[in-house]
Amino acid sequence: NAGVTQTPKFRVLKTGQSMTLLCAQDMNHEYMYWYRQDPGMGLRLIHYSVGEGTTAKGEVPDGYNVSRLKKQNFLLGLESAAPSQTSVYFCASSSQGTLWKLFFGSGTQLSVL
Amino acid sequence: GIQVEQSPPDLILQEGANSTLRCNFSDSVNNLQWFHQNPWGQLINLFYIPSGTKQNGRLSATTVATERYSLLYISSSQTTDSGVYFCAVGTGNTPLVFGKGTRLSVIA
Repeated sequence: NAGVTQTPKFRVLKTGQSMTLLCAQDMNHEYMYWYRQDPGMGLRLIHYSVGEGTTAKGEVPDGYNVSRLKKQNFLLGLESAAPSQTSVYFCASSSQGTLWKLFFGSGTQLSVL
Repeated sequence: GIQVEQSPPDLILQEGANSTLRCNFSDSVNNLQWFHQNPWGQLINLFYIPSGTKQNGRLSATTVATERYSLLYISSSQTTDSGVYFCAVGTGNTPLVFGKGTRLSVIA
């Protein structure tokens, strides 16, 4: 049972480049989330999804897009990367069946130069 | 939105000591979770505890929902307890809001 898997683990981009982060979960969870973690800021919600085909904005959505075409996958896209998007990105999932306990992936370290 | 404050921001302990971490929140919640982020960055769910008390080994947590706070107790601390502890709160199925964490360093 892999849980929540994020790819890639590390990435370096130049300003203006685009990329997609992939999150996959094998727990059949309905809800999936993307958070970013910056020093001293805790985790802040970027976007989330309450089911296949749905997405919603979180606290810091600007500059990001997401898609949930399949229940087990949640993609985070950066269309034109900026240095302010240098951060560690975490994907998570949850389900009513597990009392909304949040399960995290191992994170992606993204640097935008 | 809900505000979450954790204290202390930093804590240094000698191995074997006990500690209490606090989480205050600004509104009524029915979902509260504690997480440990180890030095390698992995986030582990410690407790789901919207109210009451739970224990898991040397760790225990208590939430007093009516007074809007939760406490995480670590007894007989070990170096492997080092890392950042986060409290996160929410209502029902709304996304959790995280505090800024307490950074714990346990020294041998």
